[in-house]
Amino acid sequence: KQEVTQIPAALSVPEGENLVLNCSFTDSAIYNLQWFRQDPGKGLTSLLLIQSSQREQTSGRLNASLDKSSGRSTLYIAASQPGDSATYLCAVRPDDTNFGNEKLTFGTGTRLTIIP
Amino acid sequence: NAGVTQTPKFRVLKTGQSMTLLCAQDMNHEYMYWYRQDPGMGLRLIHYSVGEGTTAKGEVPDGYNVSRLKKQNFLLGLESAAPSQTSVYFCASNTFRKAYEQYFGPGTRLTVT
Repeated sequence: KQEVTQIPAALSVPEGENLVLNCSFTDSAIYNLQWFRQDPGKGLTSLLLIQSSQREQTSGRLNASLDKSSGRSTLYIAASQPGDSATYLCAVRPDDTNFGNEKLTFGTGTRLTIIP
Repeated sequence: NAGVTQTPKFRVLKTGQSMTLLCAQDMNHEYMYWYRQDPGMGLRLIHYSVGEGTTAKGEVPDGYNVSRLKKQNFLLGLESAAPSQTSVYFCASNTFRKAYEQYFGPGTRLTVT
């Protein structure tokens, strides 16, 4: 059974710093990995998706990397801002995925606080 | 275009009571899902549906029932609520054309006393 772990559970950093969030998974037979953002009282918003054949994806100040063989992904946030404060979750899809997301496995999330 | 909406936003139930959570999407999505989110557990799939009139069990289906009588609505029912069902419930949807573009509702916080 796939297990996805995110450490640390919470992280506080001063505004302007660069930071890295970690995600690890036990089964390397994944189709892709997705990073989400969750704001308090709201649902999830997709940030980045990395296919298993890719090493990284970038969107603005965000960069996600994937090392499939070692079961790890990182989300790098450059020049952090107070608006980046949220919970960040990663999720993996298995190799035999189809058009749905019923096999998506989520991590427990990292609650990020950017201190002004 | 409201996206995915959930009703109600908050609810407190007593053990043994029943209730139905409503999820509605106006994007004509084929797939819909119900998740629960608990501290330290991540999101876990309860039930899902790949189209009107069809439902399937997810990872943690016990104690819940679902129905998808209309394509835009996905209902989650608790027949006899238990304290273990205290959680935040999220609905999500996607079209089969873009499986990775999932849309999530804002969540329903349910407390069972």
